[in-house]
Amino acid sequence: QKEVEQDPGPLSVPEGAIVSLNCTYSNSAFQYFMWYRQYSRKGPELLMYTYSSGNKEDGRFTAQVDKSSKYISLFIRDSQPSDSATYLCAPRRNTDKLIFGTGTRLQVFP
Amino acid sequence: SQTIHQWPATLVQPVGSPLSLECTVEGTSNPNLYWYRQAAGRGLQLLFYSVGIGQISSEVPQNLSASRPQDRQFILSSKKLLLSDSGFYLCAWNGGTYEQYFGPGTRLTVT
Repeated sequence: QKEVEQDPGPLSVPEGAIVSLNCTYSNSAFQYFMWYRQYSRKGPELLMYTYSSGNKEDGRFTAQVDKSSKYISLFIRDSQPSDSATYLCAPRRNTDKLIFGTGTRLQVFP
Repeated sequence: SQTIHQWPATLVQPVGSPLSLECTVEGTSNPNLYWYRQAAGRGLQLLFYSVGIGQISSEVPQNLSASRPQDRQFILSSKKLLLSDSGFYLCAWNGGTYEQYFGPGTRLTVT
């Protein structure tokens, strides 16, 4: 079993839709949960991260962690064509190593 | 502010040729540095990380090597490239916090 699993997509939604991107993980020792956005042929950029369970909101983005079910979500409200990218979840233990999912490709069409 | 540079941006090399990719970080000192590879349709694979000059940890056995000759410089090398070495190589750093920040990447095609 992979440590982190993501549906590769593509997920195609109309502009203005609410998007839900999800990851599952297997290691209960993970404590920090990162979300990265990667545009085509670019390096990943950090969107946000959460610690332990709960929600964190930043503008149109909300990260949610449910440690009891080992489930991570990223919600995007009022999605825009500029949100079209691959979204990578990356949990980590209390060390420096991130464990990346394969990413979900999101397409937002006008 | 901190900036991370990688070069070259793209590279096409024949099988069996040597490789040298460079990463430098500006605006910080004593960063932790990382090399990742992203193959088409696959996730990021951690190759090497370094917590200081001359200190390299390898995550995956392969024909690649890494060196850190200066505090903010990280180099990825190979003596003889294989076709399977093709991919998108990313350098990342963090400064003791939980976030990692990535460079723009080098796209390597081995022919």
